[in-house]
Amino acid sequence: DAKTTQPNSMESNEEEPVHLPCNHSTISGTDYIHWYRQLPSQGPEYVIHGLTSNVNNRMASLAIAEDRKSSTLILHRATLRDAAVYYCILRDVSQGGSEKLVFGKGTKLTVNP
Amino acid sequence: GAGVSQSPRYKVAKRGQDVALRCDPISGHVSLFWYQQALGQGPEFLTYFQNEAQLDKSGLPSDRFFAERPEGSVSTLKIQRTQQEDSAVYLCASSPNVATNEKLFFGSGTQLSVL
Repeated sequence: DAKTTQPNSMESNEEEPVHLPCNHSTISGTDYIHWYRQLPSQGPEYVIHGLTSNVNNRMASLAIAEDRKSSTLILHRATLRDAAVYYCILRDVSQGGSEKLVFGKGTKLTVNP
Repeated sequence: GAGVSQSPRYKVAKRGQDVALRCDPISGHVSLFWYQQALGQGPEFLTYFQNEAQLDKSGLPSDRFFAERPEGSVSTLKIQRTQQEDSAVYLCASSPNVATNEKLFFGSGTQLSVL
């Protein structure tokens, strides 16, 4: 499984933008980039995913580097409810690729009031 | 609508006891996953079902761990002769159809403590 590298922790202030980086230098052409987050005492929750182009949804934006070796999850205005562990995951959807998500340790985001 | 439901929410077992953890996926979801999450770590894959077929059990740590999904809906993860190292949160996730890169929906997990 292709590996991702994320900072262990980050801090932000409420109502400010947050940029969560992820490096995935060994990404293959059939790997999608997925982001999940896990709030305390809950299971992981899907945030966003993309392949090559930048993606936006109501929760966040995903900016993907042109060479696809890195990506950034952007929370436009952090709230206290965004405090969670954020996981960047590569998912191979080619025929014969593994269907499972392989989680790393993620980035623990702290949001200060 | 209802999400993925797991029961019990908490389970305390004595070492050597057998336990059974239940997962009710979202109705109609084809794919079902079990994960184990130790304190401070990311979830670790255990096993995967597509309908009633167990397609991947490569993450099960020992033959004490057994999972089933006999009718392609509810799933049970059974751990025999529990050990202290089995203490963790066990997460279940379901997906409409993994082959189309659908997102996974996770339950809140069962926290297992083995004394």
